[in-house]
Amino acid sequence: QLRLLESGPGLVKPSQTLSLTCAVSGGYIRKGGHSWSWIRQPPGKGLEWIGYIYQSDKSYTNPSLASLRGRVALSVDTFRNYFFLEVTSVTAADTAVYYCARGGVGNLDFWGQGISVIVSS
Amino acid sequence: EIVLTQSPATLSLSPGQRATVSCRASQNVGSFLAWYQQKTGQAPRLLIYETSNRATGIPARFSGSGSGTNFTLTISSLEPEDFAVYYCHQRANWPRTFGQGTKLEI
Repeated sequence: QLRLLESGPGLVKPSQTLSLTCAVSGGYIRKGGHSWSWIRQPPGKGLEWIGYIYQSDKSYTNPSLASLRGRVALSVDTFRNYFFLEVTSVTAADTAVYYCARGGVGNLDFWGQGISVIVSS
Repeated sequence: EIVLTQSPATLSLSPGQRATVSCRASQNVGSFLAWYQQKTGQAPRLLIYETSNRATGIPARFSGSGSGTNFTLTISSLEPEDFAVYYCHQRANWPRTFGQGTKLEI
């Protein structure tokens, strides 16, 4: 059974960079032709799809999330079976639960448990 | 982007009753519409994909229908564990989008 697990800081200061890791087990990122996504959920709100990465060098970030424009980087380490999210210059608006998931091109069929990130000084 | 509008925002029902949640898309998404269930404090779980296909392990009381711009999630007879928030999601176009959610409460 595929499992995903997010890790990273639970508290980030404004203007700093948020770096999150998603560890994939029970399967291989480099096999199967899947894409790998990040989604976030601000407190009390709905789901926002941040973007996905595919085959190490192809990524897509959501241009409709204006608040994230130009601040998001997605990357993957296919040998260690991790993928990553970086958000620079964070503000309080980036406070959310962040989920990693398999899919993006395809359906989001496996999700991590989520990691709560608070941006506060 | 494709906007997905769910209705109702909140649905108050009792165990054993039938639940129907609607999702309307601002553009044609073909059959590329999925439904997710999210319980409090948990990650979303894929219920239905490509409009009407149940994901692995999803009970038969969950069903999906529709096409184009109008879709429906139906729970035929509510179990206590079904009370949660439900989201529709389209992967027909970029960026992928979600509906705003429907809270199914007792």
